[in-house]
Amino acid sequence: DAGVTQSPTHLIKTRGQQVTLRCSPKSGHDTVSWYQQALGQGPQFIFQYYEEEERQRGNFPDRFSGHQFPNYSSELNVNALLLGDSALYLCASSLGSSKGETQYFGPGTRLLVL
Amino acid sequence: GEDVEQSLFLSVREGDSSVINCTYTDSSSTYLYWYKQEPGAGLQLLTYIFSNMDMKQDQRLTVLLNKKDKHLSLRIADTQTGDSAIYFCAEAGNQGGKLIFGQGTELSVKP
Repeated sequence: DAGVTQSPTHLIKTRGQQVTLRCSPKSGHDTVSWYQQALGQGPQFIFQYYEEEERQRGNFPDRFSGHQFPNYSSELNVNALLLGDSALYLCASSLGSSKGETQYFGPGTRLLVL
Repeated sequence: GEDVEQSLFLSVREGDSSVINCTYTDSSSTYLYWYKQEPGAGLQLLTYIFSNMDMKQDQRLTVLLNKKDKHLSLRIADTQTGDSAIYFCAEAGNQGGKLIFGQGTELSVKP
């Protein structure tokens, strides 16, 4: 039973560039949530995708956008990168988007912006 | 608002019990989770509890919930060096599937 997978594992970009991160959910799951974890902090919710639509969004600017594909995999795009975007980006999957649906996390993508 | 708070550090000796504490603010019925994060890794779900329960036990893990004080604790019995990690408490948000995390408690287990 494949768990949540993310790619790439590490990424280095420079300020102003754009980045795309990818996530495949756990087998049988249809909902993907994205979180940003800065060093020494807890994860912060970016947004959640269900049925190929953004269902809920946290306090992140429009530079952060996403997409969900018919096979439930998802992408996170960040435009005009800032130094402060350096973080571990975590993807989590669940069955359904309701409150209380248990979320399972992938290993994360570590993004460094220089 | 929605906020989750944890103490930042805990140090115990191998074989002792560890107790990690968390407070949350949402007054509605909710789900509360404990995740473990090892260095350089993602989050591993350890256990969860619904707010109509007082306690949940799963092998070496015991979760206690005091709903009146909005206080959650995770007890790890017979703590081992492999339990050294950062432990996150998380609350399901008011709407949808958003999780609100605390800052994490770094557990250090000394031999």
